[in-house]
Amino acid sequence: DAEITQSPRHKITETGRQVTLACHQTWNHNNMFWYRQDLGHGLRLIHYSYGVQDTNKGEVSDGYSVSRSNTEDLPLTLESAASSQTSVYFCASSEWTGYADEQFFGPGTRLTVL
Amino acid sequence: TQLLEQSPQFLSIQEGENLTVYCNSSSVFSSLQWYRQEPGEGPVLLVTVVTGGEVKKLKRLTFQFGDARKDSSLHITAAQPGDTGLYLCAGGAGGTSYGKLTFGQGTILTVHP
Repeated sequence: DAEITQSPRHKITETGRQVTLACHQTWNHNNMFWYRQDLGHGLRLIHYSYGVQDTNKGEVSDGYSVSRSNTEDLPLTLESAASSQTSVYFCASSEWTGYADEQFFGPGTRLTVL
Repeated sequence: TQLLEQSPQFLSIQEGENLTVYCNSSSVFSSLQWYRQEPGEGPVLLVTVVTGGEVKKLKRLTFQFGDARKDSSLHITAAQPGDTGLYLCAGGAGGTSYGKLTFGQGTILTVHP
């Protein structure tokens, strides 16, 4: 069965370190997204990609970067982790169903920056 | 910037009660989706509505898209403890924003036995 996976599921790091969160999907979807989820804010879009070599900034992109070298993977990098980036991160991919884009989410990565 | 206001933020009810969650915006959306999320997991899509005035039913859950496609509601009849979770609405703008969704803040529902 097609799926979307994230690793690691939990990560503790220190302020200033570079961190990369992995996202891998086997749906063969062109669209991929990274969100962060914080209480009271729902899901906020960090970066997204419409295909290989395409990346775009979302509403909260400062301090984050992504690259898309193949269809299956969209890793999210925190260049220099800050305590404000402590959050739960979700990766998603989507497909056009003919009337709307429907997103499928990974299980999330809980990141703690000390 | 499109915003979706979801209410209430928290809902604590007894098993068997009915409830409604609202999702409102001043912007028009081409589609409106509802997701349910359980602790430690990612959101799971429940339904997508795309036509103004559209009503969809999923067992005890009824979803409605406003006539002007600016708002939506989720009604649960005879809630059960298994309905407990975080409910999120999300709007798709279409056009140059295709694929992107704007999420509401979420409603945390707790159904007590």
